[in-house]
Amino acid sequence: DAGVTQSPTHLIKTRGQQVTLRCSPKSGHDTVSWYQQALGQGPQFIFQYYEEEERQRGNFPDRFSGHQFPNYSSELNVNALLLGDSALYLCASSASGTPKETQYFGPGTRLLVL
Amino acid sequence: LAKTTQPISMDSYEGQEVNITCSHNNIATNDYITWYQQFPSQGPRFIIQGYKTKVTNEVASLFIPADRKSSTLSLPRVSLSDTAVYYCLVGERNTDKLIFGTGTRLQVFP
Repeated sequence: DAGVTQSPTHLIKTRGQQVTLRCSPKSGHDTVSWYQQALGQGPQFIFQYYEEEERQRGNFPDRFSGHQFPNYSSELNVNALLLGDSALYLCASSASGTPKETQYFGPGTRLLVL
Repeated sequence: LAKTTQPISMDSYEGQEVNITCSHNNIATNDYITWYQQFPSQGPRFIIQGYKTKVTNEVASLFIPADRKSSTLSLPRVSLSDTAVYYCLVGERNTDKLIFGTGTRLQVFP
């Protein structure tokens, strides 16, 4: 049983560019959340997707957007990249009907913005 | 808005018991308290979860007082491989958003 997978593992972009990160949830999970983790900091909640809709959003600008597909996989898009967007981006999946704090995390995508 | 706070770091020796406390005085009424372990460049890994009183599994115990404004993760007989950062995760009252604690870096020495 595959856990949460994310791609790519690493990415280098320059300021102003756009990036798309991908996530496949754990088998049986239908809810996907995205987090940003700056170096030495805890994960910060970006948003959560359920039934292909954004269900909840953290304090992130509109440059951060997402999508969930019918197979429950998800994408995170970041436009107009800033240096401060450099971080580890974590995807977590969960199953509706279970406590939302029970999240299974992928290995993350490390984004470096130059 | 109150933060979910933890001690920045803790040191221990192999075989000792370690207790890490998280203060979450703005926790949502109906939400669980969950603890995660994170190694460098990896995603957080679920350790234990509880709603009130005490929960125990094969790797840890979780103590939650009646007011639920804090919780304590207890790791019995730590080993070198327990060296990691530990986070609590709670739902925030009114917004119901998930908030990670500030994280505790545990260093275990031989």
